[in-house]
Amino acid sequence: GENVEQHPSTLSVQEGDSAVIKCTYSDSASNYFPWYKQELGKRPQLIIDIRSNVGEKKDQRIAVTLNKTAKHFSLHITETQPEDSAVYFCAASTNTGNQFYFGTGTSLTVIP
Amino acid sequence: DTAVSQTPKYLVTQMGNDKSIKCEQNLGHDTMYWYKQDSKKFLKIMFSYNNKELIINETVPNRFSPKSPDKAHLNLHINSLELGDSAVYFCASSQLYGAQYFGPGTRLLVL
Repeated sequence: GENVEQHPSTLSVQEGDSAVIKCTYSDSASNYFPWYKQELGKRPQLIIDIRSNVGEKKDQRIAVTLNKTAKHFSLHITETQPEDSAVYFCAASTNTGNQFYFGTGTSLTVIP
Repeated sequence: DTAVSQTPKYLVTQMGNDKSIKCEQNLGHDTMYWYKQDSKKFLKIMFSYNNKELIINETVPNRFSPKSPDKAHLNLHINSLELGDSAVYFCASSQLYGAQYFGPGTRLLVL
């Protein structure tokens, strides 16, 4: 089955700096890669996603890149703000379309 | 008009009791899931149902039994609760090849 690894497990950045979270996956059949943000005490919420036919996607301060050959994808947050502090999860979905494999999460702290 | 809802939000109970958590989605999605999130924040898939049929059943004690009366509902029944069952349980749903949407979570504390 699919195995998703996520690094780092914790990340602290100064407000205004960039943050990068990286994930690798093992199953070359995986073709959909969502990212979720989970604030303390809240549910995971989708913030951005990318499909395997695209190499990069951007939404304001958030971007995701995908390298299918190397089987890794990354979340980039620019101009970080204190409200970006949360746990971020990457996930990979196989070509069955309804099975998701989650990374172990990254706790991001943005220091004002 | 909450997309994915769960009840109850909090559940405090004694060891050995039986409890149920209910989940409903009004997104018209075909697939629903149950996840367990422990204190380390790992999201562990427990079950997945597609159109009322079980498609994923990870290594979960058989004290946990999911039931899907229709594709908009997926309930989780837990027998003989143990201390280690304390966690947050999230329901989620997705359309085929689409993103998952999570419910607000049920915080279960077993005393």
